[in-house]
Amino acid sequence: DTAVSQTPKYLVTQMGNDKSIKCEQNLGHDTMYWYKQDSKKFLKIMFSYNNKELIINETVPNRFSPKSPDKAHLNLHINSLELGDSAVYFCASRSKMGKLFFGSGTQLSVL
Amino acid sequence: AQSVAQPEDQVNVAEGNPLTVKCTYSVSGNPYLFWYVQYPNRGLQFLLKYITGDNLVKGSYGFEAEFNKSQTSFHLKKPSALVSDSALYFCAVRGPNDYKLSFGAGTTVTVRA
Repeated sequence: DTAVSQTPKYLVTQMGNDKSIKCEQNLGHDTMYWYKQDSKKFLKIMFSYNNKELIINETVPNRFSPKSPDKAHLNLHINSLELGDSAVYFCASRSKMGKLFFGSGTQLSVL
Repeated sequence: AQSVAQPEDQVNVAEGNPLTVKCTYSVSGNPYLFWYVQYPNRGLQFLLKYITGDNLVKGSYGFEAEFNKSQTSFHLKKPSALVSDSALYFCAVRGPNDYKLSFGAGTTVTVRA
């Protein structure tokens, strides 16, 4: 069973569109994250939720909105997509010992 | 503010030779330090962590890391590298009460046969 699963794996869309990426973890963790990895492989934290409560909200355009319907799910909705949003987005969940478990990533390409 | 520096973009070694990937950090309070590895088109995988205790930490796939408080370093090592160790390696740090884990820029390791 996949511990942290993201869908879709690939997302190709036009500028201006709205899209969502879904993430689910079956590890029973309380804390989940979204990270963005750019073309230079640099990883930047975007958001974190702990038990459905937003605890980290980095400097991210407000076109990006996370939503956590329950502690096993953390979705990312992006409005009015821009070329610069093209990247790989990783979801992760955190164990009580602080170890992060990552999903396999969603490669977003904005044309 | 917490931060991680990985001074080398790339490390190249021959198979069977020792491998070292450097990392220095800055954080308030006692550091929680991690190494992750990323293979192409995959998510990051946990290798090892240091929270407290012995300065030499052993992890997955024969990797180890040494915590050095005075030098604020946490270098990753492997005594004998394999071609399959070729990947992108990330060092990460957070403070004792932080949820935010900050990653370094990554070091690409290439092990040649």
